[in-house]
Amino acid sequence: DTGVSQNPRHKITKRGQNVTFRCDPISEHNRLYWYRQTLGQGPEFLTYFQNEAQLEKSRLLSDRFSAERPKGSFSTLEIQRTEQGDSAMYLCASSLAVPPRDTEAFFGQGTRLTVV
Amino acid sequence: KNQVEQSPQSLIILEGKNCTLQCNYTVSPFSNLRWYKQDTGRGPVSLTIMTFSENTKSNGRYTATLDADTKQSSLHITASQLSDSASYICVVSPWWTYKYIFGTGTRLKVLA
Repeated sequence: DTGVSQNPRHKITKRGQNVTFRCDPISEHNRLYWYRQTLGQGPEFLTYFQNEAQLEKSRLLSDRFSAERPKGSFSTLEIQRTEQGDSAMYLCASSLAVPPRDTEAFFGQGTRLTVV
Repeated sequence: KNQVEQSPQSLIILEGKNCTLQCNYTVSPFSNLRWYKQDTGRGPVSLTIMTFSENTKSNGRYTATLDADTKQSSLHITASQLSDSASYICVVSPWWTYKYIFGTGTRLKVLA
């Protein structure tokens, strides 16, 4: 499968625990995005990377959230001390940016987090 | 107020019928406007991408239009199929950032 891959697909965790999600983008894509989607809403931007550099972070990304893309390939999103409000689908997307154009962004299947 | 608003919120049509979904946005200037299809529990899949200078883009039975003057876009689906049942999301990319701003989507249900 050469699409965007996210793991795990589902995660149930107790409030207060830490969780980490992984995203493997399409191999030649240099741009990687994280979005969060709650039921009945469109995805909300969290952060994005250009290669290994994290270029923009949303105010939604509190200090409990951290994202990395250490080698410009896969990325991880960690949530510390999870809260029930963190329950959502976490989507990863990647694209190939060749200025001035940005190609289509391909999304993964998402990781559904449930905090109990 | 959302920067990208879509209407209707939900829509039910019979198989074979056509429908048009609306998107109004306030994001300006923008680099491109996209329409995505999202099945329940899955990630969004791109249908069309239009730059600010394009007026229309087709992808099979899907045709998107863009009026940059009125800041409106529409997605027209012809000869609907049961598999078209999904959420359709309008997405705008501002000029000054590479992030995408998503609308809340229109949930389409196609009945046999």
